[in-house]
Amino acid sequence: QSALTQPASVSGSPGQSITISCTGTSSDVGSYNLVSWYQQHPGKAPKLMIYEGSKRPSGVSNRFSGSKSGNTASLTISGLQAEDEADYYCCSYAGSRVFGGGTKLTVL
Amino acid sequence: EVQLVESGGGLVQPGRSLRLSCTASGFTFGDYAMSWFRQAPGKGLEWVGFIRSKAYGGTTEYAASVKGRFTISRDDSKSIAYLQMNSLKTEDTAVYYCTRDPSDFWSGYSVDYYYMDVWGKGTTVTVSS
Repeated sequence: QSALTQPASVSGSPGQSITISCTGTSSDVGSYNLVSWYQQHPGKAPKLMIYEGSKRPSGVSNRFSGSKSGNTASLTISGLQAEDEADYYCCSYAGSRVFGGGTKLTVL
Repeated sequence: EVQLVESGGGLVQPGRSLRLSCTASGFTFGDYAMSWFRQAPGKGLEWVGFIRSKAYGGTTEYAASVKGRFTISRDDSKSIAYLQMNSLKTEDTAVYYCTRDPSDFWSGYSVDYYYMDVWGKGTTVTVSS
């Protein structure tokens, strides 16, 4: 059982936008603006996409954006592309780093 | 190019030991905390532990699931972080990743970290008889 709750799967067509939610509690997501998001293609290492809730590292497309409301953080991907198909994990500080169970994004 | 390369994985029997290495390049290794994460087959990510930079004492923290069995150390002269795994269990079977942790912050109790900006490709550890 993961500390943070993510939908198991989401899907969208090329060019569309999708949002992946990450629900925690007032002890983790709700207490800190320290949520990060990672993209993982099959057989590959995770890659940082968003940190501190909404900041993008250099080199990450501006199609990726993050936000938070209360105990729920969200990752939005706009203008979906085939290469966005991957697993996405949220992570929050909660005294240690805790993860969501991951969301499989399928680009139809 | 900033890079992390893990090595040392393999097949090991339950109760035995294994040491993983994480060799860094392209940045000043000693300036950063380093973490280990793992991912069991078909499962999500799990934090294993981290080691602070020498600036913060080079101290370590561990997840409850490995505390007392795993030890993280670092050799800044060689830009290598280590994960010594003792008393291995079948449930330790996973791909192990090392990461660079840039986010020093004061949690109110200690210097802690909350995101990982560089990941290695991982090394596979299989614990089985």
